[in-house]
Amino acid sequence: KQEVTQIPAALSVPEGENLVLNCSFTDSAIYNLQWFRQDPGKGLTSLLLIQSSQREQTSGRLNASLDKSSGRSTLYIAASQPGDSATYLCAGQPRGDSGYALNFGKGTSLLVTP
Amino acid sequence: GAGVSQSPSNKVTEKGKDVELRCDPISGHTALYWYRQSLGQGLEFLIYFQGNSAPDKSGLPSDRFSAERTGGSVSTLTIQRTQQEDSAVYLCASSPGTGHGTQYFGPGTRLLVL
Repeated sequence: KQEVTQIPAALSVPEGENLVLNCSFTDSAIYNLQWFRQDPGKGLTSLLLIQSSQREQTSGRLNASLDKSSGRSTLYIAASQPGDSATYLCAGQPRGDSGYALNFGKGTSLLVTP
Repeated sequence: GAGVSQSPSNKVTEKGKDVELRCDPISGHTALYWYRQSLGQGLEFLIYFQGNSAPDKSGLPSDRFSAERTGGSVSTLTIQRTQQEDSAVYLCASSPGTGHGTQYFGPGTRLLVL
């Protein structure tokens, strides 16, 4: 089973800073890589999906990159705001016919202070 | 349009009782997934449906867990003879097409087994 690791586990930054969240995975045979946001007591909100043939995706202040050869993905958040405070999860979806389950990291808990 | 909905939002039960959790996916989504999020464990895959069939049940932790889907829509996850270690948030997700795509999550059901 693919292992997904996220570093750091927690991060606190002042408002306005640019920041990078890291995700690494053990198996490069992934179909896609997805980043989610989870607010306390809530479900998951999909932020960005990167197909294996792509290298990055952008949405507003968010940019996610994927490097399959090194088994890494990064989520870049520009000009952070207090409303960005949440837990960010990355998940890899494997190739093959054995299923389409997402393998999740344990998340990075982000706090943006005013 | 409506997103993925789950009911109940919270469930408290006594050890040994059976519980049923319900998921209503986004209309037209053929793929449906159940995940479990336990404190300190991260998100774990339980079962995947394509239409009414479940090609991947590999994540179900024991034979006390079962799930079904009817009419290619609503799914129920049943836990028999609940144990305290079953306490977790149970999340449902759906996606269109064959399953390789963005998964949209519901708000989850918080289960507490006393």
